[in-house]
Amino acid sequence: EAGVTQFPSHSVIEKGQTVTLRCDPISGHDNLYWYRRVMGKEIKFLLHFVKESKQDESGMPNNRFLAERTGGTYSTLKVQPAELEDSGVYFCASSQVGTDNEQFFGPGTRLTVL
Amino acid sequence: DAKTTQPPSMDCAEGRAANLPCNHSTISGNEYVYWYRQIHSQGPQYIIHGLKNNETNEMASLIITEDRKSSTLILPHATLRDTAVYYCIVRVRNYGQNFVFGPGTRLSVLP
Repeated sequence: EAGVTQFPSHSVIEKGQTVTLRCDPISGHDNLYWYRRVMGKEIKFLLHFVKESKQDESGMPNNRFLAERTGGTYSTLKVQPAELEDSGVYFCASSQVGTDNEQFFGPGTRLTVL
Repeated sequence: DAKTTQPPSMDCAEGRAANLPCNHSTISGNEYVYWYRQIHSQGPQYIIHGLKNNETNEMASLIITEDRKSSTLILPHATLRDTAVYYCIVRVRNYGQNFVFGPGTRLSVLP
Protein backbone atom coordinates (compact mmCIF):
# COMPACT_ATOMS: atom_id res chain seq x y z
CA GLU A 1 0.00 0.00 0.00
CA ALA A 2 1.40 3.39 -0.99
CA GLY A 3 1.93 5.88 1.80
CA VAL A 4 1.22 9.57 1.88
CA THR A 5 3.09 11.32 -0.89
CA GLN A 6 3.97 14.97 -1.23
CA PHE A 7 5.20 17.00 -4.14
CA PRO A 8 7.59 18.65 -4.57
CA SER A 9 10.12 17.43 -2.05
CA HIS A 10 11.90 20.77 -2.18
CA SER A 11 10.91 24.19 -3.45
CA VAL A 12 13.01 27.32 -3.55
CA ILE A 13 11.21 30.53 -4.47
CA GLU A 14 11.69 34.24 -4.06
CA LYS A 15 9.70 36.41 -1.74
CA GLY A 16 6.47 37.48 -3.37
CA GLN A 17 6.16 34.45 -5.60
CA THR A 18 3.50 31.79 -5.41
CA VAL A 19 4.03 28.15 -4.55
CA THR A 20 1.62 25.25 -4.54
CA LEU A 21 2.28 22.13 -2.51
CA ARG A 22 0.47 18.90 -3.20
CA CYS A 23 -0.44 16.01 -0.95
CA ASP A 24 -1.80 12.64 -1.97
CA PRO A 25 -3.20 10.81 1.05
CA ILE A 26 -3.42 7.08 1.47
CA SER A 27 -6.29 5.75 -0.62
CA GLY A 28 -9.49 5.62 1.37
CA HIS A 29 -8.37 8.06 4.04
CA ASP A 30 -10.99 10.76 4.39
CA ASN A 31 -9.06 12.73 7.03
CA LEU A 32 -6.28 14.89 5.61
CA TYR A 33 -4.13 17.24 7.66
CA TRP A 34 -1.51 19.85 6.93
CA TYR A 35 1.22 20.66 9.44
CA ARG A 36 4.39 22.68 9.16
CA ARG A 37 7.64 23.19 10.99
CA VAL A 38 9.35 26.50 10.56
CA MET A 39 13.01 26.86 11.45
CA GLY A 40 13.72 26.23 15.09
CA LYS A 41 10.10 25.77 16.02
CA GLU A 42 7.85 22.84 16.73
CA ILE A 43 5.58 21.06 14.29
CA LYS A 44 2.34 23.02 14.14
CA PHE A 45 -1.08 22.05 12.85
CA LEU A 46 -2.46 24.07 9.97
CA LEU A 47 -5.77 22.55 8.95
CA HIS A 48 -7.86 19.43 8.65
CA PHE A 49 -10.09 18.18 5.86
CA VAL A 50 -12.74 15.52 6.08
CA LYS A 51 -13.21 14.52 2.49
CA GLU A 52 -13.51 17.83 0.64
CA SER A 53 -14.73 19.85 3.64
CA LYS A 54 -12.52 21.95 5.88
CA GLN A 55 -13.14 20.61 9.37
CA ASP A 56 -10.70 22.83 11.22
CA GLU A 57 -8.52 25.57 9.78
CA SER A 58 -7.63 27.22 13.07
CA GLY A 59 -3.92 26.77 12.47
CA MET A 60 -3.73 28.60 9.16
CA PRO A 61 -1.40 31.55 9.81
CA ASN A 62 -3.01 34.12 7.53
CA ASN A 63 -4.95 34.59 4.31
CA ARG A 64 -1.88 34.11 2.17
CA PHE A 65 -2.41 30.39 2.69
CA LEU A 66 -5.15 28.60 0.78
CA ALA A 67 -5.83 24.89 1.04
CA GLU A 68 -8.13 22.93 -1.19
CA ARG A 69 -9.21 19.34 -1.53
CA THR A 70 -11.51 19.20 -4.50
CA GLY A 71 -13.16 15.82 -4.89
CA GLY A 72 -11.92 14.70 -1.52
CA THR A 73 -8.79 13.05 -2.85
CA TYR A 74 -5.53 14.96 -3.09
CA SER A 75 -5.03 18.35 -1.49
CA THR A 76 -3.10 21.45 -2.41
CA LEU A 77 -1.72 24.17 -0.20
CA LYS A 78 -1.00 27.43 -1.97
CA VAL A 79 1.08 30.22 -0.51
CA GLN A 80 0.54 33.54 -2.28
CA PRO A 81 2.53 35.71 -1.96
CA ALA A 82 5.27 33.85 -0.12
CA GLU A 83 7.17 35.60 2.66
CA LEU A 84 10.51 34.78 4.22
CA GLU A 85 8.88 33.47 7.39
CA ASP A 86 7.00 30.85 5.39
CA SER A 87 10.22 28.86 4.97
CA GLY A 88 10.05 25.47 6.61
CA VAL A 89 8.91 21.92 6.10
CA TYR A 90 5.26 21.30 5.29
CA PHE A 91 3.89 17.91 6.23
CA CYS A 92 0.70 16.26 5.16
CA ALA A 93 -0.94 13.42 7.07
CA SER A 94 -3.97 11.26 6.54
CA SER A 95 -6.08 8.87 8.53
CA GLN A 96 -9.23 6.85 8.25
CA VAL A 97 -12.41 8.26 9.69
CA GLY A 98 -13.59 6.06 12.52
CA THR A 99 -10.25 4.39 13.22
CA ASP A 100 -8.21 7.44 14.08
CA ASN A 101 -5.54 5.68 16.07
CA GLU A 102 -2.76 7.11 14.02
CA GLN A 103 -2.08 9.63 11.36
CA PHE A 104 0.24 8.63 8.56
CA PHE A 105 2.61 11.41 7.63
CA GLY A 106 4.19 12.14 4.31
CA PRO A 107 7.87 12.95 3.86
CA GLY A 108 7.21 16.68 3.76
CA THR A 109 7.97 19.50 1.35
CA ARG A 110 10.88 21.72 2.25
CA LEU A 111 10.04 25.27 1.25
CA THR A 112 12.72 27.92 1.11
CA VAL A 113 11.71 31.51 0.47
CA LEU A 114 14.61 33.79 -0.47
CA ASP B 1 0.32 24.17 23.66
CA ALA B 2 1.70 20.71 24.31
CA LYS B 3 0.45 19.10 27.51
CA THR B 4 3.51 16.96 28.04
CA THR B 5 7.03 17.41 29.39
CA GLN B 6 9.96 15.45 28.04
CA PRO B 7 13.72 15.72 28.53
CA PRO B 8 15.26 17.55 25.59
CA SER B 9 17.84 14.88 24.87
CA MET B 10 19.01 11.40 25.84
CA ASP B 11 21.77 9.02 24.83
CA CYS B 12 21.55 5.27 24.65
CA ALA B 13 24.12 2.62 23.80
CA GLU B 14 23.37 0.48 20.77
CA GLY B 15 21.74 -2.80 21.75
CA ARG B 16 20.58 -1.51 25.10
CA ALA B 17 17.06 -0.56 26.05
CA ALA B 18 16.11 3.07 25.57
CA ASN B 19 13.65 4.36 28.15
CA LEU B 20 12.08 7.69 27.23
CA PRO B 21 10.04 9.37 29.97
CA CYS B 22 7.09 11.69 29.57
CA ASN B 23 5.14 13.65 32.14
CA HIS B 24 1.50 14.45 31.49
CA SER B 25 0.24 15.39 34.93
CA THR B 26 -2.85 17.21 33.62
CA ILE B 27 -4.06 14.35 31.43
CA SER B 28 -7.82 13.95 31.29
CA GLY B 29 -9.67 10.69 31.66
CA ASN B 30 -10.53 10.54 27.97
CA GLU B 31 -7.07 11.42 26.69
CA TYR B 32 -4.74 8.84 25.22
CA VAL B 33 -0.97 8.90 25.24
CA TYR B 34 0.57 8.72 21.78
CA TRP B 35 4.20 8.40 20.77
CA TYR B 36 5.57 9.47 17.44
CA ARG B 37 9.13 9.86 16.25
CA GLN B 38 10.78 11.86 13.53
CA ILE B 39 13.93 10.55 11.97
CA HIS B 40 15.98 13.29 10.37
CA SER B 41 14.34 14.77 7.25
CA GLN B 42 11.42 12.34 7.33
CA GLY B 43 7.80 12.81 8.36
CA PRO B 44 6.69 11.86 11.87
CA GLN B 45 6.13 8.14 12.32
CA TYR B 46 3.55 6.58 14.63
CA ILE B 47 5.00 4.27 17.28
CA ILE B 48 2.37 3.34 19.81
CA HIS B 49 -0.50 4.65 21.87
CA GLY B 50 -2.37 3.72 25.05
CA LEU B 51 -5.01 4.81 27.52
CA LYS B 52 -4.16 3.21 30.85
CA ASN B 53 -2.91 -0.30 30.23
CA ASN B 54 0.61 -1.06 29.18
CA GLU B 55 0.92 -1.66 25.46
CA THR B 56 3.44 -3.46 23.31
CA ASN B 57 3.88 -3.76 19.58
CA GLU B 58 6.70 -4.71 17.25
CA MET B 59 8.40 -1.36 17.69
CA ALA B 60 8.15 -0.55 21.36
CA SER B 61 6.44 -0.87 24.71
CA LEU B 62 4.47 1.82 26.48
CA ILE B 63 4.29 1.82 30.24
CA ILE B 64 1.70 4.15 31.79
CA THR B 65 1.68 4.77 35.53
CA GLU B 66 -1.42 3.86 37.46
CA ASP B 67 -2.33 7.50 38.05
CA ARG B 68 -1.68 8.14 34.31
CA LYS B 69 0.39 11.21 35.08
CA SER B 70 3.47 9.86 33.38
CA SER B 71 4.56 7.21 30.94
CA THR B 72 7.69 5.63 29.52
CA LEU B 73 8.37 4.53 25.99
CA ILE B 74 10.74 1.58 25.84
CA LEU B 75 12.73 0.58 22.79
CA PRO B 76 13.99 -2.80 23.95
CA HIS B 77 17.11 -3.07 21.80
CA ALA B 78 18.00 0.31 20.38
CA THR B 79 19.79 0.46 17.04
CA LEU B 80 21.51 3.33 15.30
CA ARG B 81 18.42 3.71 13.12
CA ASP B 82 16.40 4.59 16.22
CA THR B 83 18.23 7.90 16.51
CA ALA B 84 15.40 10.42 16.17
CA VAL B 85 13.26 12.97 17.97
CA TYR B 86 10.55 11.25 19.98
CA TYR B 87 7.28 13.00 20.71
CA CYS B 88 4.90 12.17 23.52
CA ILE B 89 1.44 13.57 22.83
CA VAL B 90 -1.77 13.40 24.80
CA ARG B 91 -4.91 13.58 22.75
CA VAL B 92 -8.55 12.85 23.04
CA ARG B 93 -9.37 9.95 20.81
CA ASN B 94 -11.93 12.15 19.13
CA TYR B 95 -11.96 11.13 15.57
CA GLY B 96 -10.12 13.61 13.47
CA GLN B 97 -8.49 15.78 16.08
CA ASN B 98 -5.05 17.03 15.15
CA PHE B 99 -1.89 16.25 17.09
CA VAL B 100 -0.12 18.93 19.11
CA PHE B 101 3.63 18.39 18.96
CA GLY B 102 6.00 19.64 21.62
CA PRO B 103 9.78 19.83 21.32
CA GLY B 104 10.18 16.10 22.03
CA THR B 105 13.25 14.18 23.16
CA ARG B 106 16.21 13.87 20.84
CA LEU B 107 17.46 10.31 21.30
CA SER B 108 20.97 9.56 20.15
CA VAL B 109 21.86 5.89 19.90
CA LEU B 110 25.61 5.55 20.20
CA PRO B 111 27.72 2.71 18.76
